[in-house]
Amino acid sequence: DTAVSQTPKYLVTQMGNDKSIKCEQNLGHDTMYWYKQDSKKFLKIMFSYNNKELIINETVPNRFSPKSPDKAHLNLHINSLELGDSAVYFCASSQVGTSRLGQFFGPGTRLTVL
Amino acid sequence: AQKVTQAQTEISVVEKEDVTLDCVYETRDTTYYLFWYKQPPSGELVFLIRRNSFDEQNEISGRYSWNFQKSTSSFNFTITASQVVDSAVYFCALSERSFGNEKLTFGTGTRLTIIP
Repeated sequence: DTAVSQTPKYLVTQMGNDKSIKCEQNLGHDTMYWYKQDSKKFLKIMFSYNNKELIINETVPNRFSPKSPDKAHLNLHINSLELGDSAVYFCASSQVGTSRLGQFFGPGTRLTVL
Repeated sequence: AQKVTQAQTEISVVEKEDVTLDCVYETRDTTYYLFWYKQPPSGELVFLIRRNSFDEQNEISGRYSWNFQKSTSSFNFTITASQVVDSAVYFCALSERSFGNEKLTFGTGTRLTIIP
C-alpha cells in the first residue's frame, strides 16, 4: 500500500504550458505539503494545507496554485511554466502533534521544462 | 528565522567504518522538532527520526544513533559499521509550529558515499 502517491512521476513540457501534479495520501493525515527540490538538492517548502485550508504559502509565484479537494488530496497546478520551474516536486503529509513520526513524503515528480 | 547547517557537503568512507554527519540548527522557538531524512539514489525521501526539543536523550536504532545537544544546537547522526546501502544524501531538518502545522526547514544535505 502506497502511503503518499504522486502522479505523474516524470513530466516533460514546453515553456509556457500549464501542468498539474496530483498527490494523494491514504494515511488519514490532516496536513499536506508541497516541497520543491532544485538541481542542487536544496529542499524548500512551498505550501501546506491543514484540513483543506491553506496554512503556509512561502513566497511562491502565483503561477503555482495548490488545490485541496479533500484532506487526502493536494494537487499542484502550475501556469505558464518557466525554465526555472524544472525541479523535483515532493508532496508530503503528516498528522500534526500526535506522534513521534515526521512528515511522510511521496516519491517525487521530476518536472523538466524545455 | 530558522536555519539548519550541514557543513559537510560530501563524505566518503570505506565500508564498515563509522561515520558521523553533523547538523547545527538555529531557532528562536522554545518548542521545536528535529528530523533526519535519507534520500537514496532512487530519489525518495525516507524518514529516519523525529526528536522534540524537550527530549535530549540519545537514540539508537540498529546501526543508527543520534546525539541531540541543545547546549550546542546540534543534532548529529552516526552510522556504525557502514554499508554500501547507506550511500545516500542525508538531510537534517527543523520544524516550527505554525497554526498546527510543522513547516520543515531543511539543511543542504550531506552526500555520503560508502566505498566497498
